[in-house]
Amino acid sequence: GQQLNQSPQSMFIQEGEDVSMNCTSSSIFNTWLWYKQDPGEGPVLLIALYKAGELTSNGRLTAQFGITRKDSFLNISASIPSDVGIYFCAGQTLFAGNMLTFGGGTRLMVKP
Amino acid sequence: EPEVTQTPSHQVTQMGQEVILRCVPISNHLYFYWYRQILGQKVEFLVSFYNNEISEKSEIFDDQFSVERPDGSNFTLKIRSTKLEDSAMYFCASIRRNYGYTFGSGTRLTVV
Repeated sequence: GQQLNQSPQSMFIQEGEDVSMNCTSSSIFNTWLWYKQDPGEGPVLLIALYKAGELTSNGRLTAQFGITRKDSFLNISASIPSDVGIYFCAGQTLFAGNMLTFGGGTRLMVKP
Repeated sequence: EPEVTQTPSHQVTQMGQEVILRCVPISNHLYFYWYRQILGQKVEFLVSFYNNEISEKSEIFDDQFSVERPDGSNFTLKIRSTKLEDSAMYFCASIRRNYGYTFGSGTRLTVV
């Protein structure tokens, strides 16, 4: 099946620092999605990317859909304590019932 | 903001028992999904459901699993004879067409 490699697996940063995480795949995806998951909760959509090369922002978050459609990155600028959580990338495959393939997640810890 | 609602939030069951996890997708959505997340691992696709039938399923979704949309609002996942390794968070999701994936808060299933 399709695999997404997400890195880094975890990050421990100082409040105010910028953060970058990325996902790569050997397969092409039609859509890239970035989610944040808090403990005991479901994934919450942060940013959706629909076109190769697209760069989209949502407040302090910026994400890009790679030109090859096989990768994406998420940047968080000026991190704050509430950014703590697990961030997942997901690739959406339109021809396979719109199923999502998730990356392994990046656990973000922010030191005040 | 429309929500996907899942019940119960936590279910404890004995090995070999049947469980039914319930979901109420967003009312005008057309595609329905179940995903699973074993503790500390990534979210995995189980099954997609469209037009009253399964459209895709993963290797995890074996004969012990079934899905049903018994009426116009509920979408259920049944595990016929639970095993210890079925312990996980189960997430329901829905989308209208190709975009707008929304996840529920999940049901934590513990098999003892």
